[in-house]
Amino acid sequence: GQNIDQPTEMTATEGAIVQINCTYQTSGFNGLFWYQQHAGEAPTFLSYNVLDGLEEKGRFSSFLSRSKGYSYLLLKELQMKDSASYLCAVKDSNYQLIWGAGTKLIIKP
Amino acid sequence: DAMVIQNPRYQVTQFGKPVTLSCSQTLNHNVMYWYQQKSSQAPKLLFHYYDKDFNNEADTPDNFQSRRPNTSFCFLDIRSPGLGDAAMYLCATSPTGGEAQPQHFGDGTRLSIL
Repeated sequence: GQNIDQPTEMTATEGAIVQINCTYQTSGFNGLFWYQQHAGEAPTFLSYNVLDGLEEKGRFSSFLSRSKGYSYLLLKELQMKDSASYLCAVKDSNYQLIWGAGTKLIIKP
Repeated sequence: DAMVIQNPRYQVTQFGKPVTLSCSQTLNHNVMYWYQQKSSQAPKLLFHYYDKDFNNEADTPDNFQSRRPNTSFCFLDIRSPGLGDAAMYLCATSPTGGEAQPQHFGDGTRLSIL
């Protein structure tokens, strides 16, 4: 079966750095996406990785290792508004998105 | 601004009473998706359309139907809602569903069943 694993919940302090990990086992691989989802709202696209390495976008960076089936999302200079769920999703060989259940990130002052 | 619009944001219906959720897009994307998402769970794909080609996920209950009368609009019909169908329903679009294309989501419709 296809599977995406992420920690259920993480807590971090305002101004700090946090790394959210994602491991996946899918039928084929056509890219990995990270989405942010605030409570009661729709997911919004954050980043995309298809080749190994780090993609940086402002305070957010995402890393991919295809050989290890592993990605992480790195959030720097955390702000209170970063409190949200972060969902990892992989496009499989049929170009369908396989979603993780999300990591709820709690930011404390 | 080009966008994906879902109506209504909140929908309350009675057990067994048919309900229709709507989605429209101004992005002119070929692919439209309907997801069901329950609290603290991953979005679950119900259907998707590639243009007019309808694709039903194997585990989508028969109670759920969909229509796409044109490129811009897509509807989700729940024929006889049960208590287990209470969830957030998300509509998303993608230009062609290809490799690097993210899905663009509407704000979702939260469905409650009385």
